Amino acid sequence: AQTVTQSQPEMSVQEAETVTLSCTYDTSESNYYLFWYKQPPSRQMILVIRQEAYKQQNATENRFSVNFQKAAKSFSLKISDSQLGDTAMYFCAFMKSSGSSNTGKLIFGQGTTLQVKP
Amino acid sequence: ETGVTQTPRHLVMGMTNKKSLKCEQHLGHNAMYWYKQSAKKPLELMFVYSLEERVENNSVPSRFSPECPNSSHLFLHLHTLQPEDSALYLCASSQLRGSYGYTFGSGTRLTVV
Repeated sequence: AQTVTQSQPEMSVQEAETVTLSCTYDTSESNYYLFWYKQPPSRQMILVIRQEAYKQQNATENRFSVNFQKAAKSFSLKISDSQLGDTAMYFCAFMKSSGSSNTGKLIFGQGTTLQVKP
Repeated sequence: ETGVTQTPRHLVMGMTNKKSLKCEQHLGHNAMYWYKQSAKKPLELMFVYSLEERVENNSVPSRFSPECPNSSHLFLHLHTLQPEDSALYLCASSQLRGSYGYTFGSGTRLTVV
């Protein structure tokens, strides 16, 4: 069974600085997808970034980028130029690649609460 | 209205009550999911519906009963709940394989008294 581990329950960062959130996962699959989701106080989970395991290039979305280390099974999220609106809980998630008839299932880590301080 | 909408936003119910949570998506997705989010725990996948058929039931107690009448609507019927069932219940939808991720609703905060 796949597992996702986020070892940092809470983190804080000063506004405009950079912060990195850690995530490791365990799987025997060779092809899969990794995600970072953000859950602000409004409670809605918002997709931040997505990575396909067969792509070596790290995904980026504006101020958000990942460091994907497949051999180490590590998938960290870097937030640059942190903004107050980045304050939220961040979840790392794993989905194994499924056949055309199967529905992929997202498996989440425990989450990291990030506080951006003014 | 776009996205995934969940109602009600908050629900307080007694252990003998029967209530239902509703989820609606207008994204043209054909898979829908129920997750339970409790404090200090990872999100727990409860049910998966693909093309309106239940394809996953993660050992969820029978006091939770899902229903998917069409690809746009998903319900979670609740009866005889326990206080430990108090949690945030999140609905999500995706294209069939889900490889581009899920779109989530804002959840229903359930309190069982």
